[in-house]
Amino acid sequence: EAQVTQNPRYLITVTGKKLTVTCSQNMNHEYMSWYRQDPGLGLRQIYYSMNVEVTDKGDVPEGYKVSRKEKRNFPLILESPSPNQTSLYFCASAGTGTPYGYTFGSGTRLTVV
Amino acid sequence: GQSLEQPSEVTAVEGAIVQINCTYQTSGFYGLSWYQQHDGGAPTFLSYNALDGLEETGRFSSFLSRSDSYGYLLLQELQMKDSASYFCAVWNRDDKIIFGKGTRLHILP
Repeated sequence: EAQVTQNPRYLITVTGKKLTVTCSQNMNHEYMSWYRQDPGLGLRQIYYSMNVEVTDKGDVPEGYKVSRKEKRNFPLILESPSPNQTSLYFCASAGTGTPYGYTFGSGTRLTVV
Repeated sequence: GQSLEQPSEVTAVEGAIVQINCTYQTSGFYGLSWYQQHDGGAPTFLSYNALDGLEETGRFSSFLSRSDSYGYLLLQELQMKDSASYFCAVWNRDDKIIFGKGTRLHILP
C-alpha cells in the first residue's frame, strides 16, 4: 500500500530534550515536506526537500532541522524543543512532477511541557 | 508576501451545492490545489488547477482564474460525510506549497 509513515503518533516531552520524528514513504517520491498545524493557522510549511541531500526552509523553520540522506526518509529534528513547538505535525510527499498532490502521513501530536 | 484567503466557516444543507472560495497572493504561481481534512485525520488531496477553467471529479469541481488570483471548490449533492475542513494551497516558483487557513464546512440535515 502506498503510504507515508510517521512515528510516533503521540509524543509528550520536556523542554530542551532533543527529539526526532521519523517520516518514511514507499512511493519513490522526490518531494517531501514537513508541516505543522495549529488551530486557526492552517498548515504551515517547516522544511521541504526536492530530492536527496537537497533541503530548503519553509515559512516556519526556526527551531527545526531536517535531513534527506535517503530518498524514502525525511526525519524532523527538534534539537531543543520549547512549549511553542507543541503542535500537530504532518509529513507529506509527492512526485517531483506533481508536488501539488501530496500524500500525507497520519500526523504526530507533540506536546512540549 | 504570500497569502491565501478563504472563509473560516461555511454552512450548507444536505443535498445542496456549496462553493468555497480562495484568493491568493504569491510570487510565481504554478497551480492551486484543494485538500479535505476530517477531524482527527490527515489532509487528503482533492484536485489541482494549473490552467484557467473548471476541473470536475465526481461531485467535486475546482475552478481557477489566474488573472483574478482566485479559485473555488464546488461540492454538489452534499452528504453528511462531506462535513470537514477544506484547504486551498498554492504551488509557487520556489517550489513551496503554501496552505490557506482552511474552511470548516458544516452540513445540516
